[in-house]
This record gives sequence, structure tokens and C-alpha cells, in this order.
Amino acid sequence: QKEVEQDPGPLSVPEGAIVSLNCTYSNSAFQYFMWYRQYSRKGPELLMYTYSSGNKEDGRFTAQVDKSSKYISLFIRDSQPSDSATYLCAMSAGGAGSYQLTFGKGTKLSVIP
Amino acid sequence: DTEVTQTPKHLVMGMTNKKSLKCEQHMGHRAMYWYKQKAKKPPELMFVYSYEKLSINESVPSRFSPECPNSSLLNLHLHALQPEDSALYLCASSQEGAGTGHYEQYFGPGTRLTVT
Repeated sequence: QKEVEQDPGPLSVPEGAIVSLNCTYSNSAFQYFMWYRQYSRKGPELLMYTYSSGNKEDGRFTAQVDKSSKYISLFIRDSQPSDSATYLCAMSAGGAGSYQLTFGKGTKLSVIP
Repeated sequence: DTEVTQTPKHLVMGMTNKKSLKCEQHMGHRAMYWYKQKAKKPPELMFVYSYEKLSINESVPSRFSPECPNSSLLNLHLHALQPEDSALYLCASSQEGAGTGHYEQYFGPGTRLTVT
């Protein structure tokens, strides 16, 4: 079993839809969670950073963490064509392992006008 | 400002060339990273510098040589590369995480390297 599982998609939705992106993980040492957005041929852009179970909201984006189920989600409300990108989840155990991020494989999202 | 800059944006080099990739951040971060990313794959960690000292080398071939001249700059020196080294090379930075609770990394736009 891989440490982080993420459905690679592709995921195609109409403009205005609510998008749900998910990752599961097996390593209970992971305590810090990130979502990155990566446009084609560009570097990953940090969207959300969370470290506690529950929800964190930033504009149209909500990150949700359930440590008991080892499951994280990113919700995008009112999706726009400009949201079309690959979304990567990433996790860190913190402490001595703080430099190491474990990434999911990424989900490619297309928002159709 | 959460910007990491990288130069050049694109680089084409032959297998006998020597070239360097450059990265700069002005966020006061004391940890800096080099990653390699192949198409449709997540980034793979190559090197980590912490307080300008090499902290992690993920068994990267010696044809890649990192250098951290100061806390804001990171270089990656390239020599005698192979075609399979063609990839997007990403620089990232973060606060020194231990004890601060800040482990998020900020990435630059990358250098797209083609080895011919």
C-alpha cells in the first residue's frame, strides 16, 4: 500500500460545479497537510496548509482533514476554467522528518466553460 | 511575499556541457530544496539545505552538484548529464520547521531542462 493515495483522474466538471479532491494516507505520523495547484509546465503553488482535523476555508477553497480516518479533502466552490490544473496533496510528519514531503500522484482537473 | 524565483526558465544542454540553475528567495526561509519532476509525476526530492548546510542528499548522481552561497541563494551545477535527466527542476523553500509548526514549502516556477 502506498503511503499516500490520490485518484489521478482526469476529473472533468462544468463551470460553477463544486469539486471534491481527496487523498488517503496510511502513515499515522503525518500531521501536516498541504494542497498544491500546478498548471501545466509550471511549479506547484501552495493553496492550503493545515495541521488539525476539521475544516479550513480560504475563499472558494476548503481543506478538510480527518486524522482518525486518514483522509483529507479539498473542495472548490463555484469552479472556474482557471481552476483547470493538476492538484497535488502533500504531507509531512514534522519534527525530524519535516523536510520530507510525501506527495500524492496528483489529480488532473478540467473545468469546462 | 511568498515568491521563489528560478533562472533560467528553459535550458537546453548537450551531454558534455556544464551549466548551472539558480534559485532565490527573500522570505527569510532557512531551508531550501531542489526537486526533479518528470511529466505526470509528483516532485522528487533531490537535496535539502538547512542553514546553508547540506542536510539531505537523496542519493543523487554526482553529475548534479548543489551549492548554497548564502541563505537566499541556491544553485544546482550540472555536468555530463544524460538525456534521461531531462525534466522540470524545481526549487523550494520553507521556514526551519522543527518547533515552529511550519512545514509548508513554497516552490519556484521551475527550470525546464532538456539534455540532447
